[in-house]
Amino acid sequence: DGGITQSPKYLFRKEGQNVTLSCEQNLNHDAMYWYRQDPGQGLRLIYYSQIVNDFQKGDIAEGYSVSREKKESFPLTVTSAQKNPTAFYLCASSETGGGANVLTFGAGSRLTVL
Amino acid sequence: AQSVTQLDSQVPVFEEAPVELRCNYSSSVSVYLFWYVQYPNQGLQLLLKYLSGSTLVKGINGFEAEFNKSQTSFHLRKPSVHISDTAEYFCAVILLRGSYIPTFGRGTSLIVHP
Repeated sequence: DGGITQSPKYLFRKEGQNVTLSCEQNLNHDAMYWYRQDPGQGLRLIYYSQIVNDFQKGDIAEGYSVSREKKESFPLTVTSAQKNPTAFYLCASSETGGGANVLTFGAGSRLTVL
Repeated sequence: AQSVTQLDSQVPVFEEAPVELRCNYSSSVSVYLFWYVQYPNQGLQLLLKYLSGSTLVKGINGFEAEFNKSQTSFHLRKPSVHISDTAEYFCAVILLRGSYIPTFGRGTSLIVHP
């Protein structure tokens, strides 16, 4: 079955540590996205990539980094510079980076900073 | 600039009652409109979308939405809800200019009581 796999589902980290969230898709989609979800704030865009080896900052990119070396993979690193990293992180993909982008989402990764 | 406003953060309703979840947007250009649903600890999935044509759009699970250009609204409705409809519902807008990246509202929590 085609879809998006995010791992790990739950992650705990100590302050000052970097952590990388994995996102893999087998849908052959060109575009991939990372959103952060906090209660009552909806989804906020962190980074997006419309093509391999290229990515753009979203609304809240500070303290995060990404790479897009392969079409199917778009890992997100939460760095120690992110002041409030505890959140639910959602990865998504779409066929193209333009037009009527219907997003397919992964099941999410919940990061808790201790 | 574009923004999406979901007017109700929480909507409680009894089973088999009708429900309407409200969404308004602001944009100076044409838009695509979407409703997504999120069940607890999961990613989002598409309920329905409006791209063009008929302003009444039917989606999965008996939901429908009506695009009203003069009111800049895209309210979601269901004539009779089930317990299983309990979830978070997100309205999203794509501006038909620029990056074509969806902007999400803050979400409405639909709580269906027996």
